[in-house]
Amino acid sequence: DIQMTQSPSTLSASVGDRVTITCRASQSISIWLAWFQQKPGMAPKLLIYKASSLESGVPSRFSGSGSGTEFTLTISSLQPDDFATYYCQQYNIRWTFGQGTKVEIK
Amino acid sequence: EVQLLESGGGLVQPGGSLRLSCAASGFTFSNFMAWVRQAPGKGLEWVSGISGSGGGTFYADSVKGRFIISRDNSMNTLYLHMNTLRADDTAVYFCAKDAGYDSGHEVFDSWGQGTLVTVSS
Repeated sequence: DIQMTQSPSTLSASVGDRVTITCRASQSISIWLAWFQQKPGMAPKLLIYKASSLESGVPSRFSGSGSGTEFTLTISSLQPDDFATYYCQQYNIRWTFGQGTKVEIK
Repeated sequence: EVQLLESGGGLVQPGGSLRLSCAASGFTFSNFMAWVRQAPGKGLEWVSGISGSGGGTFYADSVKGRFIISRDNSMNTLYLHMNTLRADDTAVYFCAKDAGYDSGHEVFDSWGQGTLVTVSS
């Protein structure tokens, strides 16, 4: 099974900050990596697919990069609506999520 | 507008069974569909997936042999039959739809609001 490891687990940041979350796969997954945002009591929301493709309707301050085993999600300027938990997910072989990164207010 | 509405959750005793349903609307119900769960305060775990025709089914090791995924394309409904339930099956269960961007690599672009399954005596 492919394991996904995110870092950090928690991130404290302020509005306007540039934020980067890292996701590592236990084996190469090419570009088959998605990022989701989840707020408490809500369903996950797809932000990025195929490592760097922005889902329709998602603000351009979100971007993704990487291939193989290392990936990043970047929020260029953190907004109040962005405080949430973020998950990476590989979909190269079956589907596996990372453990999540909680972005909280500093 | 795509809508996915789960139902069927509730309290069940260990060893019991439950059937979840996910009613879909707003799109042609021929996409790959999946169930994903989230235990209280924990992360997301993929549970099961099914091809558009229903001919291909996939399961996480944690539920293989106990859960069965199915779909009724005439009713636009996805199901998850859960048997021999255990305490660690307690979770919110979400149904999710494949975006259809890349054949053979399904990514979930629409999700229901989830239904809570609690396994406890």
